[in-house]
Amino acid sequence: GAGVSQTPSNKVTEKGKYVELRCDPISGHTALYWYRQSLGQGPEFLIYFQGTGAADDSGLPNDRFFAVRPEGSVSTLKIQRTERGDSAVYLCASSPAPTGEQYFGPGTRLTVT
Amino acid sequence: GQSLEQPSEVTAVEGAIVQINCTYQTSGFYGLSWYQQHDGGAPTFLSYNALDGLEETGRFSSFLSRSDSYGYLLLQELQMKDSASYFCAVGDDKIIFGKGTRLHILP
Repeated sequence: GAGVSQTPSNKVTEKGKYVELRCDPISGHTALYWYRQSLGQGPEFLIYFQGTGAADDSGLPNDRFFAVRPEGSVSTLKIQRTERGDSAVYLCASSPAPTGEQYFGPGTRLTVT
Repeated sequence: GQSLEQPSEVTAVEGAIVQINCTYQTSGFYGLSWYQQHDGGAPTFLSYNALDGLEETGRFSSFLSRSDSYGYLLLQELQMKDSASYFCAVGDDKIIFGKGTRLHILP
């Protein structure tokens, strides 16, 4: 079956611009996670959705970051007033239940110039 | 706070066995997971231990001791394709990943 998909695969934007990153989880997976990963580091937790609601958003670095999952499936990570420090690979993962068995998408590489 | 410790690099010979350790400190805990990531790729799920003991999946095994806040990943019959970074991860709603162990395999 289809895995987790993310679009776009690459995004280059100018400092100060707004970006949206999309995640399509595996069908039927109720848990959805967003992470970001910098070179040589492990994935850094951003937010966890169980169904439509954000069960834990403690990893969002500041109020420029926001994520939604309005119908409990597709999720969008939104970043306002992008900064060069936001440059990273943004990973989405889904899971059939809130456990450690997560399936990752290919990621979106965000570059802020 | 929450933290995980795992070695930054491990080197082993093709066909051998290697163990990657992980110690953790976390406020919430469902279990310990392991992921593999090749350069340029996304993390791939390997194993998940919710209970103490050893879980075996083919050439890979994973162990957890909750009382010691410790686990390990055991890779047997190493192949060149196993050269990658390996991450342990723990948590409940919020999942924390270690910084990863880069596994180098020598022919």
